[in-house]
Amino acid sequence: DQQVKQNSPSLSVQEGRISILNCDYTNSMFDYFLWYKKYPAEGPTFLISISSIKDKNEDGRFTVFLNKSAKHLSLHIVPSQPGDSAVYFCAASGSNYKLTFGKGTLLTVNP
Amino acid sequence: NAGVTQTPKFQVLKTGQSMTLQCAQDMNHNSMYWYRQDPGMGLRLIYYSASEGTTDKGEVPNGYNVSRLNKREFSLRLESAAPSQTSVYFCASSEMGVEGYTFGSGTRLTVV
Repeated sequence: DQQVKQNSPSLSVQEGRISILNCDYTNSMFDYFLWYKKYPAEGPTFLISISSIKDKNEDGRFTVFLNKSAKHLSLHIVPSQPGDSAVYFCAASGSNYKLTFGKGTLLTVNP
Repeated sequence: NAGVTQTPKFQVLKTGQSMTLQCAQDMNHNSMYWYRQDPGMGLRLIYYSASEGTTDKGEVPNGYNVSRLNKREFSLRLESAAPSQTSVYFCASSEMGVEGYTFGSGTRLTVV
């Protein structure tokens, strides 16, 4: 039973356009959500997070939106750059601070 | 600024062999974790240690054991390796209440 779902295994966008990565969760006890970025042969690195008390968090080109009623979050990257090409993992945690990850979405930004 | 260091980076084992994956962090974090990453499966938690002296099972603990040797080190042991344990293993650490984890660069394990 997957508690964090990323239903799109891959996404391809043109450089300069917006990338939107989606994530759904089922566990209503999750109260903190994060996005990690992973390049090949490297460990995942933290990108951006959002607490359940907010509905938006922005950091430069990256914005995460949270819709608690729909149990849905999304990551927007504007404008997309070729260096953004990587696997993006959505993750969620509750009071025990353990992270539960989605399966990941491979983003390819074409020059 | 080493962060989380994993050794070895690559390993090939024969079925039935044993080995220990090592992980050390220099950030004085209390919590440490072992994940495995398989194609199409994302990152799945094997074991974690919320603090020195404690360990708990995660989502996929079967076939593994762990040791929290001290605050810095958290090792993962495969007693009798199986081909199903072929994977990339990531160690991570975090501080309770602080967002996110810091991951190591991974150990790519192949069991033949």
